[in-house]
Amino acid sequence: GENVEQHPSTLSVQEGDSAVIKCTYSDSASNYFPWYKQELGKRPQLIIDIRSNVGEKKDQRIAVTLNKTAKHFSLHITETQPEDSAVYFCAVNAGGTSYGKLTFGQGTILTVHP
Amino acid sequence: EAQVTQNPRYLITVTGKKLTVTCSQNMNHEYMSWYRQDPGLGLRQIYYSMNVEVTDKGDVPEGYKVSRKEKRNFPLILESPSPNQTSLYFCASSLRGRGYEQYFGPGTRLTVT
Repeated sequence: GENVEQHPSTLSVQEGDSAVIKCTYSDSASNYFPWYKQELGKRPQLIIDIRSNVGEKKDQRIAVTLNKTAKHFSLHITETQPEDSAVYFCAVNAGGTSYGKLTFGQGTILTVHP
Repeated sequence: EAQVTQNPRYLITVTGKKLTVTCSQNMNHEYMSWYRQDPGLGLRQIYYSMNVEVTDKGDVPEGYKVSRKEKRNFPLILESPSPNQTSLYFCASSLRGRGYEQYFGPGTRLTVT
């Protein structure tokens, strides 16, 4: 099955700095790469996603880059703020399916210090 | 309000006592899933359903059962819970063709003693 590795497991930055989280995957058929944010005690929520035919996607302070050849994709958060503190999960759609079979990474605990 | 609901939110039970966690969504989503979340392991998919009466195993299905008799409901059944099933469980749903965009329920904290 699909294997997704996420690094780092914890990340601590100062407010205003950038944060980068990287995921690698094994299934070359995967073609959707969403990122979810989970605040403490809350449910995961989709924050951004990228398709395999796109190399980069931006939404305000967050961006996703994808390298299909190397099978890795990354989440970039610029100008971090304390409210960015959360657990971030990458995911891939196993086998390139569209019906909700997702494999998640292990999560990254991001802490932004004021 | 569009939402995914789960019940109960918290449950403490004993080994071997059958239990059901309910999940319901009011967004007319075709796809539904169950996940468990454990520290350091992320979210692992237990089962998913593509439509009524269509379900398939995720990555960690052992010890769990599901059914999808109605589009809006997707209960998770633990026939004989064991302590290693102590976890935080999330139900999620998504639109047909957009399975990567999942809407999660609030979670159910299960403790099996």
